[in-house]
Amino acid sequence: GEDVEQSLFLSVREGDSSVINCTYTDSSSTYLYWYKQEPGAGLQLLTYIFSNMDMKQDQRLTVLLNKKDKHLSLRIADTQTGDSAIYFCAESDNNAGNMLTFGGGTRLMVKP
Amino acid sequence: GAGVSQSPSNKVTEKGKDVELRCDPISGHTALYWYRQSLGQGLEFLIYFQGNSAPDKSGLPSDRFSAERTGGSVSTLTIQRTQQEDSAVYLCASSLASAGGWETQYFGPGTRLLVL
Repeated sequence: GEDVEQSLFLSVREGDSSVINCTYTDSSSTYLYWYKQEPGAGLQLLTYIFSNMDMKQDQRLTVLLNKKDKHLSLRIADTQTGDSAIYFCAESDNNAGNMLTFGGGTRLMVKP
Repeated sequence: GAGVSQSPSNKVTEKGKDVELRCDPISGHTALYWYRQSLGQGLEFLIYFQGNSAPDKSGLPSDRFSAERTGGSVSTLTIQRTQQEDSAVYLCASSLASAGGWETQYFGPGTRLLVL
């Protein structure tokens, strides 16, 4: 079945850039997503990218997709303490019900 | 407008008891998904409803799990004879679904289930 992998933990200093990486195996992925989960809260969609794109920028967030290598990254510019959370990479196949397959999540810790 | 709501927010039950978890999707959303988030398994898909079509139950871990969606709106996830490994946060999401299109899945806050 599909598999999505992420590193477990990332620590950065406030003001630095954060880069969270993700790899996936499903070659029929239609969309790839980044979700944010703060402690005790639900999942918040941060951004997404269609599989035929290679880059998407949204304010402080930049998503890069290397479809050949099945590698997705999320860059957060000028990281703030409020960005501390767990970030989940996910993929879906629009032709198979669009259910999400999630990575294990990367815990981002931002030090002041 | 109102988002996806779930109830109860927390549920503690004894092993062997049945539980029902409720999800109220965003009004007008035709697609509804159940996921669960547990320490051992991460976030995993359970079941998917789309309009009046038969649900996709491919993610349900055992026949103790079932779900229904009445009137194309509210959904109930039922776990029979709960086991300790069922302890998890159960998340519901809903989305619009158009033919060949994609819509954002909006997640509810989840129901935290603890089986003692």
